[in-house]
Amino acid sequence: EIVLTQSPGTLSLSPGERATLSCRASQSVYSNYFAWYQQKPGQAPRPLMYGISNRATGIPDRFSGSGSGTDFTLTISRLEPEDFAVYYCQHYGSLPFTFGQGTRLEI
Amino acid sequence: QVQLQESGPGLVKPSETLSLTCTVSGGSFSVYYWTWIRQPPGQGLEWLGDIKSSGNTNYNPSLKSRGTFSIDTSRNQFSLSLRSVTAADTAVYYCARRWSGVDFWGRGTLVTVSS
Repeated sequence: EIVLTQSPGTLSLSPGERATLSCRASQSVYSNYFAWYQQKPGQAPRPLMYGISNRATGIPDRFSGSGSGTDFTLTISRLEPEDFAVYYCQHYGSLPFTFGQGTRLEI
Repeated sequence: QVQLQESGPGLVKPSETLSLTCTVSGGSFSVYYWTWIRQPPGQGLEWLGDIKSSGNTNYNPSLKSRGTFSIDTSRNQFSLSLRSVTAADTAVYYCARRWSGVDFWGRGTLVTVSS
């Protein structure tokens, strides 16, 4: 099983700032099958990125994903008030698929 | 637009079986993997597994053979059955669609295991 470790656990920033969220895998992720999700309180997760760097439908271009192998990054170039939420990474290249423990992005 | 809706009891007694159904509307039912994910209160996400219309299934070993997925293509529904539940199975259960990652999610349903 691939273990995904997200850092930091909590990130405190202000609107307009740049956010960099990291996710490290315990083994290399197969064939770029890697995704990011955003979750707000009381809501289902929202897909942000798939295939490492492809934005999901409706996701603004201030969100970008990068990385390869075992190290992945989600970058939010200029934070908007609605971006403050919990972010999860996930791999889906080998069974069982797993999620990271989450990074809370707070004001 | 694809929509998924979970249904089932919100309260299950310890040692009994948790049963949930997900109804899918919009989009093709046969192409994708249909997924179950859960989230204990205040915790992170756990992928439970998925099933395709062919009946092909993938299970998370963490279920320890307690889980069974089934699918009814005539009704565009798929189901989760989790046996011998304990308090540790208390969670919001999400049904979802997997293609490139999980691209559509249900709203989730809270299932509490308690006597």
